[in-house]
Amino acid sequence: RKEVEQDPGPFNVPEGATVAFNCTYSNSASQSFFWYRQDCRKEPKLLMSVYSSGNEDGRFTAQLNRASQYISLLIRDSKLSDSATYLCVVNPFTGKLIFGQGTTLQVKP
Amino acid sequence: GAGVSQTPSNKVTEKGKYVELRCDPISGHTALYWYRQSLGQGPEFLIYFQGTGAADDSGLPNDRFFAVRPEGSVSTLKIQRTERGDSAVYLCASSLDPQGPDTGELFFGEGSRLTVL
Repeated sequence: RKEVEQDPGPFNVPEGATVAFNCTYSNSASQSFFWYRQDCRKEPKLLMSVYSSGNEDGRFTAQLNRASQYISLLIRDSKLSDSATYLCVVNPFTGKLIFGQGTTLQVKP
Repeated sequence: GAGVSQTPSNKVTEKGKYVELRCDPISGHTALYWYRQSLGQGPEFLIYFQGTGAADDSGLPNDRFFAVRPEGSVSTLKIQRTERGDSAVYLCASSLDPQGPDTGELFFGEGSRLTVL
């Protein structure tokens, strides 16, 4: 079983749609969680950290469910510029960050 | 520049050759990571340095891969006897504090694309 699992998609949605991505992780001792965004042929960049209480940054909402070892990212009012691969990232408290396979989002006009 | 710098950006080599990939992290970042990424996959962890020492090298696939960071800044990833399966983008990242949710952000370089013919 992979340490971090994501549905690779692709998710094809129209502009203005709301879309949600999920991610599960296997190490229950994991302490830090993140969503990264990666544009085609570019390096990954931090989108947002994920806190236990859930957190929001504009149109983006991240949630963590420790009991189910599950992380989610919700994007409201999708824009064309949101098209990218979204990487779920977990720190199992060993210092290294483990990346999921990524979920590809394609927002269509 | 102020970001993570990786050289070369592209490297084409023949099977069996030796390759070195260099990473210059953000100044002051004590943690440095190497990942590799194949098409359609997420970055795969290779090795992580805290200062000069390798804190975790559990991701190195075999003994052909080796990495150093002798002065706690620049790091070199070394691959001996390259194989076609080593072809990937090798990403380097640095971080201020790998444990913190607020400071654990990894800053990636643009990567070194390795092609083994």
